Amino acid sequence: DVKVTQSSRYLVKRTGEKVFLECVQDMDHENMFWYRQDPGLGLRLIYFSYDVKMKEKGDIPEGYSVSREKKERFSLILESASTNQTSMYLCASSSRGAWYGYTFGSGTRLTVV
Amino acid sequence: RKEVEQDPGPFNVPEGATVAFNCTYSNSASQSFFWYRQDCRKEPKLLMSVYSSGNEDGRFTAQLNRASQYISLLIRDSKLSDSATYLCVVPCNFGNEKLTFGTGTRLTIIP
Repeated sequence: DVKVTQSSRYLVKRTGEKVFLECVQDMDHENMFWYRQDPGLGLRLIYFSYDVKMKEKGDIPEGYSVSREKKERFSLILESASTNQTSMYLCASSSRGAWYGYTFGSGTRLTVV
Repeated sequence: RKEVEQDPGPFNVPEGATVAFNCTYSNSASQSFFWYRQDCRKEPKLLMSVYSSGNEDGRFTAQLNRASQYISLLIRDSKLSDSATYLCVVPCNFGNEKLTFGTGTRLTIIP
């Protein structure tokens, strides 16, 4: 069964900490995405990547950065966590053209205190 | 017009009934469309793809109306397990690599 795996299901961090969220896919997909999901706001795209070492800003990139050193791994970095970054973070991947939609990881629920 | 718009609901429907959701989109060049299902505190999962006029899978039918730029999802003989949030998904305005997700329609099936 194809998979997108996120390293943590639940995470609690302190304000100001640097936070790393890891995502690994085993489908040899070119595209990878990071979203956050908040009640009433739906899925909002933070960053995405079309290829290794490539990254593009999404709709809400402020306060985040990403890294894609290998095709299967896409990391989201919160440089200095703040309470307004408390959210559900979802990683997704797709083949080129996204003709078959996205496959999502099970999500990381991050709480910043 | 927003890239994708859905009625947020909630839709509260008795078990066994038929329910339909609509979703409108703005990008007339869009080729592929999707319906995702999301259970509470879980990730979205692909329910159906729609590439031409429509697609049917068991009790679920997705239809596409390009002229009016909307897609619909019909659920027949609804089950308690159909309770979830249904997300309409279309390619974004700037290319097919990125998909735009609607905010979802919440469905509750009542026994």
